[in-house]
Amino acid sequence: QTVVTQEPSFSVSPGGTVTFTCGLSSGSVSTSNYPSWYQQTPGQAPRTLIYTTNVRSSGVPDRFSGSIFGSKAALTITGAQADDESDYYCALYMGNDIWVFGGGTKLTVL
Amino acid sequence: QVQLVESGGGVVQPGGSLRLSCEASGFTFSRNGIHWVRQAPGKGLEWVAFIRYDGNAKYSGDSVKGRFTISRDNSKSTVYLQMSSLRAEDTALYYCAKDRAYSVEVWGRGSTVTVSS
Repeated sequence: QTVVTQEPSFSVSPGGTVTFTCGLSSGSVSTSNYPSWYQQTPGQAPRTLIYTTNVRSSGVPDRFSGSIFGSKAALTITGAQADDESDYYCALYMGNDIWVFGGGTKLTVL
Repeated sequence: QVQLVESGGGVVQPGGSLRLSCEASGFTFSRNGIHWVRQAPGKGLEWVAFIRYDGNAKYSGDSVKGRFTISRDNSKSTVYLQMSSLRAEDTALYYCAKDRAYSVEVWGRGSTVTVSS
């Protein structure tokens, strides 16, 4: 069974830069997995940040960017702000209309 | 604007059934796929099912296959998730979401399902 891996937690200072990754338990992530990224604060529905590897969803500031970094997908936040403190999830398209979410990364801004 | 509104959640006993609805507006519903994603209390997101614009459907795996059925009525701009043989581990907040380019683009606010005796 395919497992999508994410770092459980990260911390960043205000104004700093942080990069989360999204990998596969077996194999490499590529653009064919159409990596996407979602932000969720407690009690709220998720919000789509990035889809198709690096396309920002409507209204998402350009300090959020997506890429492929080595064998993984990556989400970078440049100039972190206090309200970026959230859980971040990635999802990968596995083909044949099947998707898998990662376990999420909890970001602390301090 | 694009909006998705889930309904039909509630409390059900183990082994029971429930049907969730997702009513969409603000886009050409008949041309878009729709996902169901769930989140158990205190846990992460779990993709559950997807239905293409043409009604072709896929499910996440052994955990729901054979028990959950996703369907759509394009005349009502609504997607359904029929859930049967419900288990305690199906307790979650169920989101429907619009697909775009093999990703989830827009999320609903969710409908809570609690399986408990």
